[in-house]
Amino acid sequence: AQTVTQSQPEMSVQEAETVTLSCTYDTSESNYYLFWYKQPPSRQMILVIRQEAYKQQNATENRFSVNFQKAAKSFSLKISDSQLGDTAMYFCAFMKTGTASKLTFGTGTRLQVTL
Amino acid sequence: GAVVSQHPSWVICKSGTSVKIECRSLDFQATTMFWYRQFPKQSLMLMATSNEGSKATYEQGVEKDKFLINHASLTLSTLTVTSAHPEDSSFYICSARDQGANTEAFFGQGTRLTVV
Repeated sequence: AQTVTQSQPEMSVQEAETVTLSCTYDTSESNYYLFWYKQPPSRQMILVIRQEAYKQQNATENRFSVNFQKAAKSFSLKISDSQLGDTAMYFCAFMKTGTASKLTFGTGTRLQVTL
Repeated sequence: GAVVSQHPSWVICKSGTSVKIECRSLDFQATTMFWYRQFPKQSLMLMATSNEGSKATYEQGVEKDKFLINHASLTLSTLTVTSAHPEDSSFYICSARDQGANTEAFFGQGTRLTVV
């Protein structure tokens, strides 16, 4: 079974600064996907970024980027130029390949962006 | 991105009654949908995987007779909480994956259930 660990229950960052959220996972699979999801106060789950394990290049989406270390089973999220709208719960998730595969979520990190 | 609509957004019901929550994929077909439960300040806990035209696959510890799932079409899955009790009060979220894609799952906006 897969496990996803987020060791930072809460983080705080000032507007315009950079913050990194940590995530580690455990799996025996060689091919899989990793995700970061954002859950703002509205509680709507929003996909932030996705990484395919067979790709060595780290995924980036505008101000969001990941540091994917496959051997270390680490998948951190970096948010640059933080904005107030980034305030949310952030969940790291793992998924095996396959159309019916389910997501395994970490416990989440609550990020607060302050003025 | 694709849209998943979940209805109702919130519902209050009396103990002992049943409540149905709908999850619809509006602009894509979903052979597989997922139902999650989320307690306050906690992560999403997968309850079951809903498969179109067949029985749902429940996670360990989830009562299948309590949480009835029906996936009658490629765009609709329903979760019925039967004989609801206050401990069933929670936030329920569905997600669906486009059968033509292998990765991204799209989430409904969630349903807050309160049993009084």
